[in-house]
Amino acid sequence: QSALTQPASVSGSPGQSITISCTGTSSDVGGYNYVSWYQQLPGKAPKLMIFDVRNRPSGVSDRFSGSKSGNTASLTISGLQAEDEADYYCSSYTTSDTLYVFGTGTKVTVL
Amino acid sequence: EVHLVESGGGLVQPGGSLRLSCAASGFTFSDNYMGWVRQAPGKGLEWVGRIRNKVERYTTEYAASVKGTFTISRDDSKNSLYLQMNSLKVEDTAVYFCAREFYFKYDFWGQGILVTVSS
Repeated sequence: QSALTQPASVSGSPGQSITISCTGTSSDVGGYNYVSWYQQLPGKAPKLMIFDVRNRPSGVSDRFSGSKSGNTASLTISGLQAEDEADYYCSSYTTSDTLYVFGTGTKVTVL
Repeated sequence: EVHLVESGGGLVQPGGSLRLSCAASGFTFSDNYMGWVRQAPGKGLEWVGRIRNKVERYTTEYAASVKGTFTISRDDSKNSLYLQMNSLKVEDTAVYFCAREFYFKYDFWGQGILVTVSS
């Protein structure tokens, strides 16, 4: 099972919106609405930001939103803030030889 | 408040074994599925495996990369999760995170523990 494909880096200025894509196959992203997004600050554990494609856990800012079209899921961060600078990983349930697959990760830089 | 704390990491030689533990608190551990995720230095996240709860007979699933060499277990009386790693390879060097699995997502994570496989 190959990792889901994400852009290596995305950047934006404070206040702007950015979108991170996560491309898989019909065996994972396209086949199930079990896509999650995680934020990882340097040296820290991942933090769940979005689950089931578009749902936010309690306490996560509504500046974070998720969507999916076909085999590609997306995470949008609106009103970009300096504190959003981190690595972001998507994840999906899959029917391949592993139960879950993560994305390659995207480094978000706030200019 | 949910807390997950890993322990047992360190330096081990190739071919050696190591057992990681994860102490859980702040939720009903026995009701939940639990998993392990690892991250090699400077690399992305990799799902390792998971164990279901007692109702689901503690069944386990593993990533193909560790199947047959890693074993996940739990002791609900101690609110603890374990990862037994045998026949370790250099490429198993990583920070290992335990996490609570809740309906197809990992909603709480430990801080991670470093395992280094090197001669």
